[in-house]
Amino acid sequence: DAKTTQPTSMDCAEGRAANLPCNHSTISGNEYVYWYRQIHSQGPQYIIHGLKNNETNEMASLIITEDRKSSTLILPHATLRDTAVYYCIGTSGTYKYIFGTGTRLKVLA
Amino acid sequence: GAVVSQHPSWVICKSGTSVKIECRSLDFQATTMFWYRQFPKQSLMLMATSNEGSKATYEQGVEKDKFLINHASLTLSTLTVTSAHPEDSSFYICSAQPMRTASPFSNQPQHFGDGTRLSIL
Repeated sequence: DAKTTQPTSMDCAEGRAANLPCNHSTISGNEYVYWYRQIHSQGPQYIIHGLKNNETNEMASLIITEDRKSSTLILPHATLRDTAVYYCIGTSGTYKYIFGTGTRLKVLA
Repeated sequence: GAVVSQHPSWVICKSGTSVKIECRSLDFQATTMFWYRQFPKQSLMLMATSNEGSKATYEQGVEKDKFLINHASLTLSTLTVTSAHPEDSSFYICSAQPMRTASPFSNQPQHFGDGTRLSIL
């Protein structure tokens, strides 16, 4: 499983795009990048995942660099409810998730 | 879809008792479930991988006799904290991996329960 590093914390103004980076330079060819978020005292919520192409769903967009060594999660219009800890995880067929420290995103009114 | 239910959500008990936590996948089958532990202001730490019909695989440093895992069906895994002590107080979270497709690199995400907050007095 790939080791991931993320900034410890970020602030974002409400209504603006939140761009959360993740470095996964040791990721191997068959490892996907998954993004989850955890709101206080709840289990992690799945957001999005990808292999090498950019992905978009109703929650967010995922931009993966061509060399796959890093990715960025984009919340296009952040709301106060998006305040959470965001985790990126690189894993493959073993399915084991190794959580890093994540990024604590605070959306400011 | 893809709902994982964890029960109980909160439990307080005396030191020395055993506590069972259930993790159910409500609308899908899961051959593999995972158990995590999370201390305040820390990240999730994987404790064990639970496969239906076989023994669980524990991560290094996790006592298998202390944390008993049973995965008797494709929708239910249980974690029993035996002879619990105050240092076992934590937030326990399970996740379920949907059954694999034919592809060896099935990429379906895990789905997490809402956790069980365990407090041992």
